[in-house]
Amino acid sequence: EPEVTQTPSHQVTQMGQEVILRCVPISNHLYFYWYRQILGQKVEFLVSFYNNEISEKSEIFDDQFSVERPDGSNFTLKIRSTKLEDSAMYFCASSDVPPFTTPSSYEQYFGPGTRLTVT
Amino acid sequence: AQTVTQSQPEMSVQEAETVTLSCTYDTSESDYYLFWYKQPPSRQMILVIRQEAYKQQNATENRFSVNFQKAAKSFSLKISDSQLGDAAMYFCAYRDYTSGTYKYIFGTGTRLKVLA
Repeated sequence: EPEVTQTPSHQVTQMGQEVILRCVPISNHLYFYWYRQILGQKVEFLVSFYNNEISEKSEIFDDQFSVERPDGSNFTLKIRSTKLEDSAMYFCASSDVPPFTTPSSYEQYFGPGTRLTVT
Repeated sequence: AQTVTQSQPEMSVQEAETVTLSCTYDTSESDYYLFWYKQPPSRQMILVIRQEAYKQQNATENRFSVNFQKAAKSFSLKISDSQLGDAAMYFCAYRDYTSGTYKYIFGTGTRLKVLA
């Protein structure tokens, strides 16, 4: 069964450094998402991406964040200058654009997450 | 704005018994999807069950079933014959379609402990 993959599984970085989190969505999916989960809290939407541009972003997704699809398979989240409060689990998700609606249409498939620790 | 509320931070159940996790949500939409996700200690998000709002019939997946009350905006998860492997955080989620894109809105989660 196709799945979303994310690398690395755990990233440790120092405050002020730039990090890039990588995701490989399911191959025929066209919508891509990033979510964040601070330890002990709920999962929060960060950004959605379609047709090579951001389609929606949350208040959390400020100027230090950016997303990119550098090639036909990867989808990345860059944090320009990390802060302690960026420490969290980051989930990538993808969904399809089906020719007709089925029960699983537009359903988001989540990757295993990248644990980011900022020290 | 759509919101999802899980009022039980933690629940416990004896192995082989049945437990129900509560979820309420708020929306002005008439058609939408609801989900339950399981998050074990590995923190991966695993889809347990989905419910389409326009379907009257409650969704069922093996030992997992939902009690969907659309008028009350309630979406509880019932786990029958609980197993040790069911111990995890469970998140209720609503699929929102404002702003022209889909995004998931999650509740704060319920930690389920299964007692041997």
